[in-house]
Amino acid sequence: DSGVTQTPKHLITATGQRVTLRCSPRSGDLSVYWYQQSLDQGLQFLIQYYNGEERAKGNILERFSAQQFPDLHSELNLSSLELGDSALYFCASSVGASVGGTQYFGPGTRLTVL
Amino acid sequence: AQSVTQLGSHVSVSEGALVLLRCNYSSSVPPYLFWYVQYPNQGLQLLLKYTSAATLVKGINGFEAEFKKSETSFHLTKPSAHMSDAAEYFCAVRPAGGNTPLVFGKGTRLSVIA
Repeated sequence: DSGVTQTPKHLITATGQRVTLRCSPRSGDLSVYWYQQSLDQGLQFLIQYYNGEERAKGNILERFSAQQFPDLHSELNLSSLELGDSALYFCASSVGASVGGTQYFGPGTRLTVL
Repeated sequence: AQSVTQLGSHVSVSEGALVLLRCNYSSSVPPYLFWYVQYPNQGLQLLLKYTSAATLVKGINGFEAEFKKSETSFHLTKPSAHMSDAAEYFCAVRPAGGNTPLVFGKGTRLSVIA
């Protein structure tokens, strides 16, 4: 158990819908990262937040957005969902701001878009 | 830009045999290198990381990796495979400086045969 929690574990929705994925980092960690894992693209970095502020941005679509709240939990919002958005979404956390610091991964949310 | 190539999407070994998972990287600056393991239905767990100290890095569960600059490689090894080692293994790279996100390889699935 990494100490990073993600909810829900599974999510099934339809095209065009909007969903919110939630992540709680390990106690004491200030950075939260979001990743998308799919069979064709592999593991892709989406975005990082550090202590409430966006720190680094990766291959995140404009239909996707994220935020980190004062209690340090983070939410990833996916809108106008397409079939291709079906994937595993991982959250990770680390103590510091450096993107290369040791990251601890949550168990993931499996999103299925029908 | 950084990139990672993992040779072999699937490796199969007998229990007790040597495990060798290959990773080659491309980086214009000195890299930090990581190996992560993903067990079924779980998130990624850090096995080991190279951050420009000793070139031979020892990780958890008996795994180790050697940084070879001349070969731009960071292969993962374990002398004797256990059934519990069956999982997906990911190599990742980031430059030693700056705030560039981790770049992951496509992963290698390790099967261990009794």
